[in-house]
Amino acid sequence: SQTIHQWPATLVQPVGSPLSLECTVEGTSNPNLYWYRQAAGRGLQLLFYSIGIDQISSEVPQNLSASRPQDRQFILSSKKLLLSDSGFYLCAWSGGHSGNTIYFGEGSWLTVV
Amino acid sequence: GESVGLHLPTLSVQEGDNSIINCAYSNSASDYFIWYKQESGKGPQFIIDIRSNMDKRQGQRVTVLLNKTVKHLSLQIAATQPGDSAVYFCAENMTGGFKTIFGAGTRLFVKA
Repeated sequence: SQTIHQWPATLVQPVGSPLSLECTVEGTSNPNLYWYRQAAGRGLQLLFYSIGIDQISSEVPQNLSASRPQDRQFILSSKKLLLSDSGFYLCAWSGGHSGNTIYFGEGSWLTVV
Repeated sequence: GESVGLHLPTLSVQEGDNSIINCAYSNSASDYFIWYKQESGKGPQFIIDIRSNMDKRQGQRVTVLLNKTVKHLSLQIAATQPGDSAVYFCAENMTGGFKTIFGAGTRLFVKA
């Protein structure tokens, strides 16, 4: 069966510091990968999606970037965090036998102070 | 489009009653629809899906209804339990599409 993991689960970072959130998917090959952000009590905002290695589309201009160095690894980064980057970040995947259905990871809580 | 900046609407129901959560979708070309449940501090979990060639699909205690004429989707939860308290999101996609569009979400409170 397919599984998705992202880490760290929680982090508190000072303004201006870098960020790296990692996500890996197991049990499937060539998945579509996604990064979403969710502010407290709000909906889901698609940040990036990737249909293959080094193929990444950005949905919203922002202070963040994404990379996909391997087929099942997706990384969300920032060189200098802003207060407004605080939120709940969710990695997700689709494809293979799952078709269009998106499956989410456990999420990472980021607080920028 | 994605309603990410809105506060979530809330539905409050008594334990044991049936819940109905509604959703209006935006793209007439969408042919695949999904409901997700998100508990506090966790990622959304898949509940049930439906394709556009159907108007009703049933799962365990949940039923999804699709009305393509008015672009409306609903999730019915039978005999609502305290464990059903969560935020529920509807989502739409197109066959072969890479992007899933999520609705604003509805917060369900179950009163004991």
